[in-house]
Amino acid sequence: DAGVIQSPRHEVTEMGQEVTLRCKPISGHDYLFWYRQTMMRGLELLIYFNNNVPIDDSGMPEDRFSAKMPNASFSTLKIQPSEPRDSAVYFCASSSGVPYNEQFFGPGTRLTVL
Amino acid sequence: QKEVEQDPGPLSVPEGAIVSLNCTYSNSAFQYFMWYRQYSRKGPELLMYTYSSGNKEDGRFTAQVDKSSKYISLFIRDSQPSDSATYLCAMSGTDSWGKLQFGAGTQVVVTP
Repeated sequence: DAGVIQSPRHEVTEMGQEVTLRCKPISGHDYLFWYRQTMMRGLELLIYFNNNVPIDDSGMPEDRFSAKMPNASFSTLKIQPSEPRDSAVYFCASSSGVPYNEQFFGPGTRLTVL
Repeated sequence: QKEVEQDPGPLSVPEGAIVSLNCTYSNSAFQYFMWYRQYSRKGPELLMYTYSSGNKEDGRFTAQVDKSSKYISLFIRDSQPSDSATYLCAMSGTDSWGKLQFGAGTQVVVTP
């Protein structure tokens, strides 16, 4: 299995632009998680899905952030408009949920907003 | 105050030494405890998983959970330079199964 796939790996954009991050989970995994990692705040859960349905989005920082999972093999995290404080590494992870919540992380997308 | 506290280090040890890492937490509902390892510019990967209290051993790695003290530990025996990484503790409760709370991560450097 190729593992969790994320694209792009690096993104540099200017403040105010729309940013779309993409994730392909491991086949057969029912859970998908989006995280953000910064030096200041560490690894934070933004939102997670179960069977393509958002279960908990309490970590989404504000309305500028949105996430979708149109099918079992694809998810997007969108930031519109982007701000410099959104600069971080964004990770996608997936899990089968059994026998426990072992999450497999992708390589991350390093976002820089100028 | 954060729910999970972890010293960010860095922790520098000579090759062959025992590495001792720990986290404290405040939420008594936490039941699932994990340790992840993260190499520079990579995603975290699961090292150890423990449910509720007790010890678990896997090769050179031992995880301990003391729920009465709200304290978990990870020990790495016979440390190798390849163990140099950031180690993150993570935990969740039965009512918040999907929401792993991560510690800040401890950077470990094993010098040859």
